[in-house]
Amino acid sequence: GAGVSQSPSNKVTEKGKDVELRCDPISGHTALYWYRQRLGQGLEFLIYFQGNSAPDKSGLPSDRFSAERTGESVSTLTIQRTQQEDSAVYLCASSSRGISYNEQFFGPGTRLTVL
Amino acid sequence: EDQVTQSPEALRLQEGESSSLNCSYTVSGLRGLFWYRQDPGKGPEFLFTLYSAGEEKEKERLKATLTKKESFLHITAPKPEDSATYLCAVQRTGNQFYFGTGTSLTVIP
Repeated sequence: GAGVSQSPSNKVTEKGKDVELRCDPISGHTALYWYRQRLGQGLEFLIYFQGNSAPDKSGLPSDRFSAERTGESVSTLTIQRTQQEDSAVYLCASSSRGISYNEQFFGPGTRLTVL
Repeated sequence: EDQVTQSPEALRLQEGESSSLNCSYTVSGLRGLFWYRQDPGKGPEFLFTLYSAGEEKEKERLKATLTKKESFLHITAPKPEDSATYLCAVQRTGNQFYFGTGTSLTVIP
């Protein structure tokens, strides 16, 4: 079946604008992660959704970042009042069971550039 | 402080020249160690999960091993198509994964 998809693939915005990034996980996957990957750095955990449980938001870097997920489907990551340091690739991953036991399937990412 | 360190940062090999990549970690309550491959412009692709010291897993030319403090990804007789960035990640108790910065592997024909 289809893999994890993300949109847009590229986003260029001006400092101070809000942006919304979308992730469509693999159908039936209950767990969903968002990561940030800055140039030359490792993946940085942002937020984790598991089914209908409260999300783990402990990785969100500031209150400008928020994310939502409707049931076990689409998720959106919103960055308000973007700053230049928000420029990065934002990756989404989904998993079919509790994240402890199964590999994560990653989307291609959204490359965000804040001018 | 939880840390994942990968070495070397970059590695150039001749086709057929075997080598190893290292992932050392300091994480309390390790639940699993993961290896991924990432090609330019793409998301990481899962390779292996290791759960306990002494465990080994193999896939084609790749073999991953785990000790209490580090993991190795051994590449035997690499081919140019093995060129990619290899990422290591550890999962501690809870939901968080900690990723290293990766090793960029180039295999020269």
